[in-house]
Amino acid sequence: KAGVTQTPRYLIKTRGQQVTLSCSPISGHRSVSWYQQTPGQGLQFLFEYFSETQRNKGNFPGRFSGRQFSNSRSEMNVSTLELGDSALYLCASSPVGGTQTQYFGPGTRLLVL
Amino acid sequence: GESVGLHLPTLSVQEGDNSIINCAYSNSASDYFIWYKQESGKGPQFIIDIRSNMDKRQGQRVTVLLNKTVKHLSLQIAATQPGDSAVYFCAENYNTDKLIFGTGTRLQVFP
Repeated sequence: KAGVTQTPRYLIKTRGQQVTLSCSPISGHRSVSWYQQTPGQGLQFLFEYFSETQRNKGNFPGRFSGRQFSNSRSEMNVSTLELGDSALYLCASSPVGGTQTQYFGPGTRLLVL
Repeated sequence: GESVGLHLPTLSVQEGDNSIINCAYSNSASDYFIWYKQESGKGPQFIIDIRSNMDKRQGQRVTVLLNKTVKHLSLQIAATQPGDSAVYFCAENYNTDKLIFGTGTRLQVFP
């Protein structure tokens, strides 16, 4: 089975722009979670989607949003980018959610200049 | 590669020795715990998990121990190899898909 894939792998944007990141979960997995990883804050939960519905949300501003499509693929969007949004954005999938193992993709490295 | 913390605790071990990586978790109600390994340039990779109704679980060369009394988790790696060099994270979960990660420990294996 193919693993979690994320596109693009690397991205450079400037302050004020917006960005959309994409995640394709493992085939058959219906839950997709997003995390932000930075040197200062470590790995932090952004949100989780299951069956096209956001079920859980972390403590991030409204500039961070996401969605999930009927094929379980997910996108996250960050609007009005700030320098502090530079991070590795990780997507993880699990079969049906709940307390199940999450499998991570390689991440999208976002640099905001 | 990713730097998950400029001041990550570091464990240095000699190749062939056993490694023990410790983690204190935060929520006494957490019922599921996972250890992940993150190599430079990659996302976290699942190593082993344990549910709160167990104290110990073994995998291939790895053992996870759970002490609920003191909210402590440990990962033991037997016969540590150079390929084990990475950052190791523990994560806890309580009834949701929100994993809460520890700060990570960098494992360095030297010959």
